[in-house]
Amino acid sequence: KAGVTQTPRYLIKTRGQQVTLSCSPISGHRSVSWYQQTPGQGLQFLFEYFSETQRNKGNFPGRFSGRQFSNSRSEMNVSTLELGDSALYLCASSQGSGEPQHFGDGTRLSIL
Amino acid sequence: AQSVTQPDIHITVSEGASLELRCNYSYGATPYLFWYVQSPGQGLQLLLKYFSGDTLVQGIKGFEAEFKRSQSSFNLRKPSVHWSDAAEYFCAVGLHASGGSYIPTFGRGTSLIVHP
Repeated sequence: KAGVTQTPRYLIKTRGQQVTLSCSPISGHRSVSWYQQTPGQGLQFLFEYFSETQRNKGNFPGRFSGRQFSNSRSEMNVSTLELGDSALYLCASSQGSGEPQHFGDGTRLSIL
Repeated sequence: AQSVTQPDIHITVSEGASLELRCNYSYGATPYLFWYVQSPGQGLQLLLKYFSGDTLVQGIKGFEAEFKRSQSSFNLRKPSVHWSDAAEYFCAVGLHASGGSYIPTFGRGTSLIVHP
């Protein structure tokens, strides 16, 4: 069974731009969560989608948004990029309630 | 608010030695508990989880963890470390959320260095 796939692996953007990251979950998994990992703040939860609906949300500004498609694939969008958005963005999928999450290898976003 | 503390930022052990990584949490009820490992340039891999039941949990790669309610701890152990175990280890607590899901709060991680 294929794991969680995140694209692209690396991305370089400049301040003020916007970016879209993609995540394909493990087949059969309906829950997709997104995390931001930085040296300063560690791993922080962004949001979770389940059956195309945002079910839970972390403490991030509205510039961070996401969506989930009917095939469970998910995208995360960050608008008006700031230098502090430079991070490793991780996606994780699970079968649903209470089941452990399986992580992708992440997208490394660098803001210049 | 819930929190997770991994008191050791770095731990150095010799190959073949035993290992214990500490994790303490603050949460009003018995939470879901997890240990993950992250190798450089990769995502997190689940080592083991505790939801309920037996407080000694066996995981992959020879790891185990013990939930101690009285100490609010969930320490990770391995009897004999291999050089390939060098990585970053994260403890996480799952806060029960809507839809029966949970929102994990991660510790800051412990970097394991293995000497030959």
